[in-house]
Amino acid sequence: NAGVMQNPRHLVRRRGQEARLRCSPMKGHSHVYWYRQLPEEGLKFMVYLQKENIIDESGMPKERFSAEFPKEGPSILRIQQVVRGDSAAYFCASSPRQGTIYNGYTFGSGTRLTVV
Amino acid sequence: DQQVKQNSPSLSVQEGRISILNCDYTNSMFDYFLWYKKYPAEGPTFLISISSIKDKNEDGRFTVFLNKSAKHLSLHIVPSQPGDSAVYFCAATPGSSNTGKLIFGQGTTLQVKP
Repeated sequence: NAGVMQNPRHLVRRRGQEARLRCSPMKGHSHVYWYRQLPEEGLKFMVYLQKENIIDESGMPKERFSAEFPKEGPSILRIQQVVRGDSAAYFCASSPRQGTIYNGYTFGSGTRLTVV
Repeated sequence: DQQVKQNSPSLSVQEGRISILNCDYTNSMFDYFLWYKKYPAEGPTFLISISSIKDKNEDGRFTVFLNKSAKHLSLHIVPSQPGDSAVYFCAATPGSSNTGKLIFGQGTTLQVKP
């Protein structure tokens, strides 16, 4: 039973390029959450998605960032025109349904984005 | 605005002794709290949680204490083992929220010395 799969594990992009981060939730999970961890900081919520719906994007920067979770395939976090400040670890988590944080939802191993 | 704070960036304890990790929060709407453990290059792993209707929850070597009046929670690990060396994050959420959004502290790095 595979856990939450994120790829790539490491991603290097030059300033101005696009970064695409993928997250495949655990089998049977239809809720996905994206978090970002900047160096020396805790994780910061970015967005919560269900299949084909964005439920809460209150943590997403207003520009250059977007997320989707299509009916088929992984969830994608897309960062356009990356800047050095986007360098961080991006974590995805999944849960089987709404309101199941009480046992903690499952995180993937993260994608480490480096912008050069 | 840091709503969840872990004021100790690091903690070092001897194997077999107790580790106490602390966390403070400011938002009185938070009513569910969780602790996560994180190894380098891995995602956070859920450890233990507590609802605001309780003041203590225990799971094996891990116990979480909640003091609502002080807006403070702590994680006790007894006895500490070298494999417990990791970064520990506390997190909080208003349980009535349906977004599953967690607010994390900055983390405390625990080192357990053999």
